[in-house]
Amino acid sequence: ETGVTQSPTHLIKTRGQQVTLRCSSQSGHNTVSWYQQALGQGPQFIFQYYREEENGRGNFPPRFSGLQFPNYSSELNVNALELDDSALYLCASSKHWDEQFFGPGTRLTVL
Amino acid sequence: KNQVEQSPQSLIILEGKNCTLQCNYTVSPFSNLRWYKQDTGRGPVSLTIMTFSENTKSNGRYTATLDADTKQSSLHITASQLSDSASYICVVRYLETAEYGNKLVFGAGTILRVKS
Repeated sequence: ETGVTQSPTHLIKTRGQQVTLRCSSQSGHNTVSWYQQALGQGPQFIFQYYREEENGRGNFPPRFSGLQFPNYSSELNVNALELDDSALYLCASSKHWDEQFFGPGTRLTVL
Repeated sequence: KNQVEQSPQSLIILEGKNCTLQCNYTVSPFSNLRWYKQDTGRGPVSLTIMTFSENTKSNGRYTATLDADTKQSSLHITASQLSDSASYICVVRYLETAEYGNKLVFGAGTILRVKS
């Protein structure tokens, strides 16, 4: 166990809906990174939050947005869901640029 | 082209046998390379981490090698068990700089299935 938790575990949505995924970082960590992992692929970097500010972003459209709270937990929001958004969403926490520890993931299915 | 390439894409072996997974990378500047084990639908769990100066690192039945000159790494699994069935992902970290931070580059993974 890494101490990083994510909720919910599984989620089913329909096209066009909006979804919010949550991540609680490990104690002492101030940075959260979000990844999308399609079936059979390696994780793809979405963005990273450091001290409540976005600190780097991958090649994802603006409908993917996030937040980090003063306790360093984080949310990933996806608007106007598309079928291709179906994936395992992983968050990883770290102490700034130190090693990243991964949570168990949230499985999102878009119908 | 992905900066981290893994082979084979998938592998089936008999319980008790050994196997070797390969990882080639072009990430530069390089900080370290990790091998992760990922069970289906779960988060990745780190097996080994190797820096530029390390050639071999073991963790129980897992032994990783790194050749930083040729930018190649391998993960050798000895005496495989049914519980070794998972995806094994090679992850390379950029050297910590203002440009790259702690950015990670993931391979697509090798899916290993151990049969009895």
